Amino acid sequence: QSALTQPASVSGSPGQSITISCTGTSSDVGFYNYVSWYQQHPGKAPKLLIYDVSNRPSGVSTRFSGSKSDNTASLTISGLQAGDEADYYCTSYTSSSTLVVFGGGTKLTVL
Amino acid sequence: QVQLQQSGPGLVKPSQTLSLTCVISGDSVSSNSAAWHWIRQSPSRGLEWLGRTYYRSKWYNDYAVSVKSRITINPDTSKNQFSLQLNSVTPEDTAVYSCARGHHHAFDIWGQGTLVTVSS
Repeated sequence: QSALTQPASVSGSPGQSITISCTGTSSDVGFYNYVSWYQQHPGKAPKLLIYDVSNRPSGVSTRFSGSKSDNTASLTISGLQAGDEADYYCTSYTSSSTLVVFGGGTKLTVL
Repeated sequence: QVQLQQSGPGLVKPSQTLSLTCVISGDSVSSNSAAWHWIRQSPSRGLEWLGRTYYRSKWYNDYAVSVKSRITINPDTSKNQFSLQLNSVTPEDTAVYSCARGHHHAFDIWGQGTLVTVSS
């Protein structure tokens, strides 16, 4: 059981927007502004999409955006494209004895 | 362009030691702004952070509680690389192991991943 809770799957049609939630606790998501999001295609390494809740690394599309409210972080993908079909993971630093915790992942299907 | 290249065996026997190496190009293991992590991924456990090493005037290590008694992560400045050793492995340690650079509290560069199977 992962420390951060994500929906197992979400879906949307091309051009639509979707949001993936990531729920933690006051020891991780609610405590630090150190939430990051990753995209992983099958057989590939994860790719960083968002760091520090809402910052995009250079080269990442502006269609990806992040936010946080209390103990829940969110990733929004706008203008869905077929290539967005992948697994998405959130992470957060935590004040527990393990530095970093992950979400269980969300499979995005583009209909 | 920063790249991480992993190497190491894909099959380890139970009770033995899993050893992997991650060679860094385009950055330094002694960087004062980065940390060097090991992460694993399996269907049963999902993504799991294992530990990190980093340099801030001296070397530091942090390890996940779940593996703390069995893990060692070492930097090698002469070869600009870092390594993972996980002792006393069991089939539950079967996973894809990845090295990653930590920057801005995230993992911005990943190695290619190594499937390590623990089996006799």
